[in-house]
Amino acid sequence: GAVVSQHPSRVICKSGTSVKIECRSLDFQATTMFWYRQFPKQSLMLMATSNEGSKATYEQGVEKDKFLINHASLTLSTLTVTSAHPEDSSFYICSASLVLGDTQYFGPGTRLTVL
Amino acid sequence: AQKVTQAQTEISVVEKEDVTLDCVYETRDTTYYLFWYKQPPSGELVFLIRRNSFDEQNEISGRYSWNFQKSTSSFNFTITASQVVDSAVYFCALSVPLSYTGANSKLTFGKGITLSVRP
Repeated sequence: GAVVSQHPSRVICKSGTSVKIECRSLDFQATTMFWYRQFPKQSLMLMATSNEGSKATYEQGVEKDKFLINHASLTLSTLTVTSAHPEDSSFYICSASLVLGDTQYFGPGTRLTVL
Repeated sequence: AQKVTQAQTEISVVEKEDVTLDCVYETRDTTYYLFWYKQPPSGELVFLIRRNSFDEQNEISGRYSWNFQKSTSSFNFTITASQVVDSAVYFCALSVPLSYTGANSKLTFGKGITLSVRP
């Protein structure tokens, strides 16, 4: 149980385009999903916390208009990187948390490369 | 504020050796959760264990064992008889419940320890 999927696993795009990443909890309902960014050989950096049916809470320094998060249902959250630039290239990972309890289960990640 | 320190950055062992990964945490809250995650080269974080602050019992799961000591604010992870497949980055993390209901809260991660197990 507690499986989280992400799609796509890898995306290469041109500078200026927008990229949407989906995060799904496959076998449980997640009221909360989290989006992280990870640079090579570094730890995970929390970008935002997403609660179903409400606006996401962004961490300090993360641009809301740049990284659009939508949590439309209890099993799906999306992250859209708008007008992507090379500096947005990174590994993006989502996680989902059960309603009660505090364990986050992580998706396999999406590697974004912006040319 | 919470903090997790993983002082070891890289560890290299030969297969079948035992290895201990250290984790020291800081929090002012009396209720908190501690976690270990494994990140293999594929990138996905794999949940290994969760421990709440009121349960100081050590845990063993196969070749894995965890030693939780509140007196030293440590939550160390030992792999016995290591195998090549154990090669990965291991993260220790801490979270504090947001409310009485224990609603989901943020994880504070350590910087991770890269473990290399050589055949």
